[in-house]
Amino acid sequence: GAGVSQSPSNKVTEKGKDVELRCDPISGHTALYWYRQSLGQGLEFLIYFQGNSAPDKSGLPSDRFSAERTGGSVSTLTIQRTQQEDSAVYLCASSFPSGGVSPDTQYFGPGTRLTVL
Amino acid sequence: AQKVTQAQTEISVVEKEDVTLDCVYETRDTTYYLFWYKQPPSGELVFLIRRNSFDEQNEISGRYSWNFQKSTSSFNFTITASQVVDSAVYFCALITNAGKSTFGDGTTLTVKP
Repeated sequence: GAGVSQSPSNKVTEKGKDVELRCDPISGHTALYWYRQSLGQGLEFLIYFQGNSAPDKSGLPSDRFSAERTGGSVSTLTIQRTQQEDSAVYLCASSFPSGGVSPDTQYFGPGTRLTVL
Repeated sequence: AQKVTQAQTEISVVEKEDVTLDCVYETRDTTYYLFWYKQPPSGELVFLIRRNSFDEQNEISGRYSWNFQKSTSSFNFTITASQVVDSAVYFCALITNAGKSTFGDGTTLTVKP
């Protein structure tokens, strides 16, 4: 498929464990975003990548959260020592900035539903 | 500070009624981009429209129309002759050139037959 893909689709983990969430953006999209959506809530911005660099990490909730992107493509969001309040759907989006600068339409993946027991 | 406010948490209408979803934003940036997304019960976000801060021209696409007013920092979305399939959560979002992205809390629209 040509869309954004995320894996796993569902993840159940025990409190205190580390988890890795993966995002495969649309080929050629240089911008990549991670969001968190708690049940019945809006989207909470976590981090944004332009290429491999993340100019804005201000949305990461705590130092237990980190993200990286390699080769300007796949991104991994890592949550260490998970807590129950981390339970949410984690959404990834990618876009191809118009003219290489301005943010264009974000195409969203299906999300990873994380449940921390 | 950057903020997007969707004051209407839930709206319920009867099919064929017109409905307007409000969006008010705050930003210190002079260049920014406004978006509307639809999240149907299936959960996947669907892009509806993108507007940049220099383009205040309103847009109509079928039954959908958008009214961007920079003077009031609003970017409202109207669905004409609503249909049951329009039932979803609708999100308004603002993104700056630097990639700072802020979404509103969403408005849940229910269209009853």
